[in-house]
Amino acid sequence: GAGVSQSPRYKVAKRGQDVALRCDPISGHVSLFWYQQALGQGPEFLTYFQNEAQLDKSGLPSDRFFAERPEGSVSTLKIQRTQQEDSAVYLCASSFPGLVSYNEQFFGPGTRLTVL
Amino acid sequence: KQEVTQIPAALSVPEGENLVLNCSFTDSAIYNLQWFRQDPGKGLTSLLLIQSSQREQTSGRLNASLDKSSGRSTLYIAASQPGDSATYLCAAGGSGFGNEKLTFGTGTRLTIIP
Repeated sequence: GAGVSQSPRYKVAKRGQDVALRCDPISGHVSLFWYQQALGQGPEFLTYFQNEAQLDKSGLPSDRFFAERPEGSVSTLKIQRTQQEDSAVYLCASSFPGLVSYNEQFFGPGTRLTVL
Repeated sequence: KQEVTQIPAALSVPEGENLVLNCSFTDSAIYNLQWFRQDPGKGLTSLLLIQSSQREQTSGRLNASLDKSSGRSTLYIAASQPGDSATYLCAAGGSGFGNEKLTFGTGTRLTIIP
């Protein structure tokens, strides 16, 4: 596609529910990133894939958070037993690493998650 | 651990003025530095990327500089327009292959007064 797409754009969940957020990266982009942005803050890194391999998950805040990219394209971020502190915008980015792009990341519109 | 700071947190200037946004980072072992724009309720739009060996990049009325040794970057906006009103974020890239995550500052909220 022309850009990174994310769905749903908005999600309201009751505390304790599980949610799944989807990211479609730019076609051919090898690297995929998830970030969490709280209100009034800059985005914070959650996890990162190169193709289907999850190279870094150091930013995932708890074991309730799980991400996958099984075929090296679309990725899903799953949050189990949501809590109010999980309310944030979840941003996905993709890049084609290398000397041409210098790892420039392109972001999707985000999914705004509200946990009641 | 990389830390990125942006000063000021908010800035209001009259239309037509030139302005500078500041970004500082603590770890100079970066592969790149990106500047983004974020409009309310929207995602991030990439404005400029400076590769670690470069000193500056220009795009239209925007000019970004990078001084790795001092851990600083600036974004210069010439002849500001009301449409430039947004939050501007800088982000320091990781050290390279296998470490590509971005560390963001908290942003500068810019308001251009018509």
